[in-house]
Amino acid sequence: NAGVTQTPKFRVLKTGQSMTLLCAQDMNHEYMYWYRQDPGMGLRLIHYSVGEGTTAKGEVPDGYNVSRLKKQNFLLGLESAAPSQTSVYFCASSPQGLGNQPQHFGDGTRLSIL
Amino acid sequence: QQPVQSPQAVILREGEDAVINCSSSKALYSVHWYRQKHGEAPVFLMILLKGGEQKGHEKISASFNEKKQQSSLYLTASQLSYSGTYFCGTEKVGSSNTGKLIFGQGTTLQVKP
Repeated sequence: NAGVTQTPKFRVLKTGQSMTLLCAQDMNHEYMYWYRQDPGMGLRLIHYSVGEGTTAKGEVPDGYNVSRLKKQNFLLGLESAAPSQTSVYFCASSPQGLGNQPQHFGDGTRLSIL
Repeated sequence: QQPVQSPQAVILREGEDAVINCSSSKALYSVHWYRQKHGEAPVFLMILLKGGEQKGHEKISASFNEKKQQSSLYLTASQLSYSGTYFCGTEKVGSSNTGKLIFGQGTTLQVKP
């Protein structure tokens, strides 16, 4: 049982390049979330999904797009990477969103934009 | 609207106790607590719900004061394995069943032998 798997684990990009981060979960969870973590800032929600085919904006959505074509996958895209997007990105999933279910996190993707 | 955690950092000796506080300006439905070790993913510890229900770790306790929108995490008889950064995540009333959490900035706990 892998839980939540993020790929890639590390990536270095040049300013203006694009890339997609993949999050896959094998727990049949309905809800999925993308966060970024910067020093001293905690975890900030970028986008989230409450089910297959749905997406919604979180606290810091600018510069990112997401898609949830399949229930088990949640993709985070950077269309034109900027140095301010250098961060550690975490994906999480939960069975539902009533607040009484924990979120399960992946191991993170460390992204550097030069 | 990010919740405020205090203290920002604490250093303990093994066996000592610690309290970490989380305070929000919004009416809350639930408070989640997670622990993250350096270079790793956050790991779930505890959920406290409006109305008093709790779910979580056997060796860690917490409280939730709904009227004050505050939660406290109690770490007793600390062990070396308790070291890490603790985050509270708050779900405000009216989040429309999205499970959206707003996380505090974290409290770094270091337990020394």
